[in-house]
Amino acid sequence: NAGVTQTPKFQVLKTGQSMTLQCAQDMNHNSMYWYRQDPGMGLRLIYYSASEGTTDKGEVPNGYNVSRLNKREFSLRLESAAPSQTSVYFCASTRLVNTEAFFGQGTRLTVV
Amino acid sequence: DAKTTQPTSMDCAEGRAANLPCNHSTISGNEYVYWYRQIHSQGPQYIIHGLKNNETNEMASLIITEDRKSSTLILPHATLRDTAVYYCIVKEVGTGTASKLTFGTGTRLQVTL
Repeated sequence: NAGVTQTPKFQVLKTGQSMTLQCAQDMNHNSMYWYRQDPGMGLRLIYYSASEGTTDKGEVPNGYNVSRLNKREFSLRLESAAPSQTSVYFCASTRLVNTEAFFGQGTRLTVV
Repeated sequence: DAKTTQPTSMDCAEGRAANLPCNHSTISGNEYVYWYRQIHSQGPQYIIHGLKNNETNEMASLIITEDRKSSTLILPHATLRDTAVYYCIVKEVGTGTASKLTFGTGTRLQVTL
């Protein structure tokens, strides 16, 4: 049982390049989330998907798009990366609205 | 969601109980208190949550004051592996289907020999 798996673990992009961060969970959870964490800060919610087929903006959605491909997978896309998007990105999932969240191990993204 | 206040850092000797406080004076009646921890930049890990009664699981105990304006997370016998940043999060009992969490900067707990 892998839980929440994120790929890649590390990535360096040049300004203006695009990329997609992948997230998959094998716990049959309904809701999935993308957070970012800047140095010395707590996590901030970028986008979430309450259920398959729905997505909503979180606290810091600008510069990102998401796709809930199916119940297992939730991807985060940066269309034109900027240095301000240098961060650690965490994917999470929850089974029900008041149950605990399970987090992936993070993707460390540097934009130069 | 109500705001929380936690000390920036704390130390604890290995084997002793670690008591991590959290103030949430504006908490409303339909808001839970959640605790997560983050070990060395890994993904956050759920510890425990409660509404108004004290809670205990295999990891920790959560003590919520009667007026619900503050709580304490207790790690009964701290080990070096408990060194982490601990986040206290207040979250409304959901009526929808998503469980969004608002993280502050947490308490950095250092367990020492």
